[in-house]
Amino acid sequence: AQTVTQSQPEMSVQEAETVTLSCTYDTSESDYYLFWYKQPPSRQMILVIRQEAYKQQNATENRFSVNFQKAAKSFSLKISDSQLGDAAMYFCAYRSPQMVYGGSQGNLIFGKGTKLSVKP
Amino acid sequence: DAGITQSPRYKITETGRQVTLMCHQTWSHSYMFWYRQDLGHGLRLIYYSAAADITDKGEVPDGYVVSRSKTENFPLTLESATRSQTSVYFCASRGLAGGVKPNEQFFGPGTRLTVL
Repeated sequence: AQTVTQSQPEMSVQEAETVTLSCTYDTSESDYYLFWYKQPPSRQMILVIRQEAYKQQNATENRFSVNFQKAAKSFSLKISDSQLGDAAMYFCAYRSPQMVYGGSQGNLIFGKGTKLSVKP
Repeated sequence: DAGITQSPRYKITETGRQVTLMCHQTWSHSYMFWYRQDLGHGLRLIYYSAAADITDKGEVPDGYVVSRSKTENFPLTLESATRSQTSVYFCASRGLAGGVKPNEQFFGPGTRLTVL
């Protein structure tokens, strides 16, 4: 079974600085998807960025980028120019390739989350 | 409006009562999921459904029942609520490969359930 580990329960960053959140995972599959979700105090789960394992290029979405190290099974999230609105819980998630029917593949497996605080 | 909605948003009930949490999505997504979120555990899968009338257990299914008679609805029932089921519950949906944003799972706003 796949597992996702976020080793940093809490992180703090100064506004306008850069912070990196860590995520490691364990799998025997060669093809899969990785995600970072943001959960602000409103509780809404918001997709920040995703990475397909077959792509060597690291995904980037504006101020958010990932460092995907497939051999090391590492998937860290870098937030540049941190803003007060970035303060939230961040969850790393893994998903197996999608099947049409059946099996437990296709659902997200989440880490326990990292609470990010942004200091003004 | 299109999207995924959950009702109620907040619910307080007593031990032993039956509670049903509703989930409705307007995209005709094939896959739907129920997760619970507890402090220190992240989100854990309770049940999922690959299509209407097809459901299967996730990581923590005990004490829960689901049904999916229509593609757009995926209710979650606690047959006899216990205090350990106090949690925040999220419904999610995702389309099939080849559809719009097939790899993205969309989440509802969550239901905070308190069992006294």
